[in-house]
Amino acid sequence: GQQLNQSPQSMFIQEGEDVSMNCTSSSIFNTWLWYKQDPGEGPVLLIALYKAGELTSNGRLTAQFGITRKDSFLNISASIPSDVGIYFCAGPNTGANSKLTFGKGITLSVRP
Amino acid sequence: GAGVSQTPSNKVTEKGKYVELRCDPISGHTALYWYRQSLGQGPEFLIYFQGTGAADDSGLPNDRFFAVRPEGSVSTLKIQRTERGDSAVYLCASAVGRGGYEQYFGPGTRLTVT
Repeated sequence: GQQLNQSPQSMFIQEGEDVSMNCTSSSIFNTWLWYKQDPGEGPVLLIALYKAGELTSNGRLTAQFGITRKDSFLNISASIPSDVGIYFCAGPNTGANSKLTFGKGITLSVRP
Repeated sequence: GAGVSQTPSNKVTEKGKYVELRCDPISGHTALYWYRQSLGQGPEFLIYFQGTGAADDSGLPNDRFFAVRPEGSVSTLKIQRTERGDSAVYLCASAVGRGGYEQYFGPGTRLTVT
């Protein structure tokens, strides 16, 4: 089946720094979603991308839908302590049912 | 407005017992999904409802798992003869309609089978 790859598993940055994370797939996705999950909570939708090449922002977050449709990038600028969490990329499987495939996530730590 | 709610938040049960997990989606969302999340992994799809019917149950691991949504709103995930390997966080998500890629998740139910 379709798989989404996220690496590294963990990232450590200093407060105020920018961070970029990417998500790749061996197959084409027509939609990319980025979620953030805090401990004990469900994933929260950050950004949805629907068109190859699309660049979308949500506050300090910016995500891009790769031209090849096999990758997506999420950038966080001027990180703050509450950015700590697990960031997942996700995309709907081929077919009409819109069930999502998720990557394994990247755990972000922000040092004050 | 109210988001997706799930009850209970935690459930501890003995191996072999039956459990029910409840999901209350966002009002007006016709699409409802169940996912399972193990430690260190992303959520994995279990079943999808469009209205009252299960449109796709291909993610259910075996016939011990069953889900219903009788009135097209609240859904219940049922697990019979629980096994220790069933321990995980069970997440519910809802979306506006068919092809609703923007899925909104509840806080999950953490199931522990002892």
